[in-house]
Amino acid sequence: DAKTTQPTSMDCAEGRAANLPCNHSTISGNEYVYWYRQIHSQGPQYIIHGLKNNETNEMASLIITEDRKSSTLILPHATLRDTAVYYCIVRVSYNTDKLIFGTGTRLQVFP
Amino acid sequence: DAGVTQSPTHLIKTRGQQVTLRCSPKSGHDTVSWYQQALGQGPQFIFQYYEEEERQRGNFPDRFSGHQFPNYSSELNVNALLLGDSALYLCASTEFPGGAEDTQYFGPGTRLTVL
Repeated sequence: DAKTTQPTSMDCAEGRAANLPCNHSTISGNEYVYWYRQIHSQGPQYIIHGLKNNETNEMASLIITEDRKSSTLILPHATLRDTAVYYCIVRVSYNTDKLIFGTGTRLQVFP
Repeated sequence: DAGVTQSPTHLIKTRGQQVTLRCSPKSGHDTVSWYQQALGQGPQFIFQYYEEEERQRGNFPDRFSGHQFPNYSSELNVNALLLGDSALYLCASTEFPGGAEDTQYFGPGTRLTVL
């Protein structure tokens, strides 16, 4: 079973920030938080990951709470192309470990 | 640099038949994982191949089998197809063992429909 809990769906206006929450209250000390997204009928795409510090890349920012029990993915200026299902995953640090997906959050960006 | 490629894109089979799906990993990757994604669900891990051996397996019956070739490409075979096997089959590749900074890259998937 997935070790994360996410809202089923969210809406966001184009140009605004999209903030996608994730709860992972049972996360272990050696587990990272990863975010993937899946645009309709395509393969999942890696977005970002982090251990305990906030992270930022060209796609998004990841904010992890100090107790590591929850995190938020931030898309600073959402576009229509960001409409997708977003998955929050926790896993150990070696990248060959299998990914355990939940049902994710369906983000709808509207004009 | 080609990413992960999968073939065919779509496939229609009937119950009881057998199917083979193919995956070529991203250049430089040696580990291939397969996932099944039913409609409206997240992908579910089937198994992973490294050095031509199955190294991890999810909760799938023996009807699901795989193979990895010396060039790291992989096949997923499903025997005695059931209606419930209709799904998007995803292949992901990575480099063993890698670290937290590495990630798994997914292909576009093969849509299997069982009638």
